[in-house]
Amino acid sequence: AQSVTQLDSQVPVFEEAPVELRCNYSSSVSVYLFWYVQYPNQGLQLLLKYLSGSTLVESINGFEAEFNKSQTSFHLRKPSVHISDTAEYFCAVTGLSGNTPLVFGKGTRLSVIA
Amino acid sequence: DAGVIQSPRHEVTEMGQEVTLRCKPISGHDYLFWYRQTMMRGLELLIYFNNNVPIDDSGMPEDRFSAKMPNASFSTLKIQPSEPRDSAVYFCASSSHDSLLQFFGPGTRLTVL
Repeated sequence: AQSVTQLDSQVPVFEEAPVELRCNYSSSVSVYLFWYVQYPNQGLQLLLKYLSGSTLVESINGFEAEFNKSQTSFHLRKPSVHISDTAEYFCAVTGLSGNTPLVFGKGTRLSVIA
Repeated sequence: DAGVIQSPRHEVTEMGQEVTLRCKPISGHDYLFWYRQTMMRGLELLIYFNNNVPIDDSGMPEDRFSAKMPNASFSTLKIQPSEPRDSAVYFCASSSHDSLLQFFGPGTRLTVL
């Protein structure tokens, strides 16, 4: 079984400042890792994923996350946030055995302040 | 592709009434997942199907909840009778056997009065 801990429920940050949203996971097996974003009153959109290969993965809108196996972490970072990044961000894991359900963290609400 | 389609988007009902939520997965996807999102418990899996067959329903809260997938393009989640504690956003997601990526629908916001 897997579990995900997102250490911060809310993160306020000023526009153009850097941000890091923390995610730690627990699993007895190897995992795939994901970040999803949920804008107000919308569904979840995949932001980025780690499946294999380079431990640093990037999204098209400037976010990046690094898989750290020894620390069982997959923190999300952006060097300069925009107002439009205001949303809830969910870290999720699933095992390597195929199309198994995602296990989500409780989410981190990112609020970007002008 | 239109993505995962869910209906209705919002549902308000009274305690004791039957509620049916609907989902149309992305064409060609053979996995379908139902999740529930609440403030207290976050996002939780209720049930998932592979090739229309339920694989794991251990997340279904109790017998009041049931889910079906009569064909590859349609699934329902039914609550009978509904209770106020069922109020939540219910998401449907689908994926393909050759991809690990789950695509989510917009969700159904259920309010039980």
